[in-house]
Amino acid sequence: AQTIHQWPVAEIKAVGSPLSLGCTIKGKSSPNLYWYWQATGGTLQQLFYSITVGQVESVVQLNLSASRPKDDQFILSTEKLLLSHSGFYLCAWSLTGQNTLYFGAGTRLSVL
Amino acid sequence: GQQVQQSPASLVLQEGENAELQCNFSSTATRLQWFYQRPGGSLVSLLYNPSGTKHTGRLTSTTVTKERRSSLHISSSQTTDSGTYFCAVGYKLTFGTGTSLLVDP
Repeated sequence: AQTIHQWPVAEIKAVGSPLSLGCTIKGKSSPNLYWYWQATGGTLQQLFYSITVGQVESVVQLNLSASRPKDDQFILSTEKLLLSHSGFYLCAWSLTGQNTLYFGAGTRLSVL
Repeated sequence: GQQVQQSPASLVLQEGENAELQCNFSSTATRLQWFYQRPGGSLVSLLYNPSGTKHTGRLTSTTVTKERRSSLHISSSQTTDSGTYFCAVGYKLTFGTGTSLLVDP
């Protein structure tokens, strides 16, 4: 069975500090991976997607970056957090040829 | 790009009542998925339904691709159905605005 693990569960960070959020998929090779962001009470916005190791496409510019260093790992990061980065970050996966999207438990980020 | 609107924005029901949620989108799409999010939680996939009618448990989704709309029917609602329902449409699965459902006991 596929499992998706996100870390950390929650973060409280200061404006201007760096951030790294992680996502690991186990149980399937070469998944398509996605980062989504959700403001409190809002809808979900796709930030990045990756269909293979080393390749990441940016969908929305929010002063964030993403990398896929391994087939099963997706990292979201920034060197300087803004207040507007607060929210709920969700990693998701799908398989090529199978259209259903599955989400991780998410990371709640508060930037103060 | 794809625009996705959901209605109503919020809905309050008594337990046992049925709910009808709507999803309208701007461009025809070959991917459409309904999700549920409980307060403070992650998203759970409910149904993948780009066309036609699909059922699972108390949920029925009907998508009319040509008319660029989909609905999610929840029968005999329960308090545990409370939360936000999203549809996501298109190749990039653009998310709608969501419907917040509250089911009172």
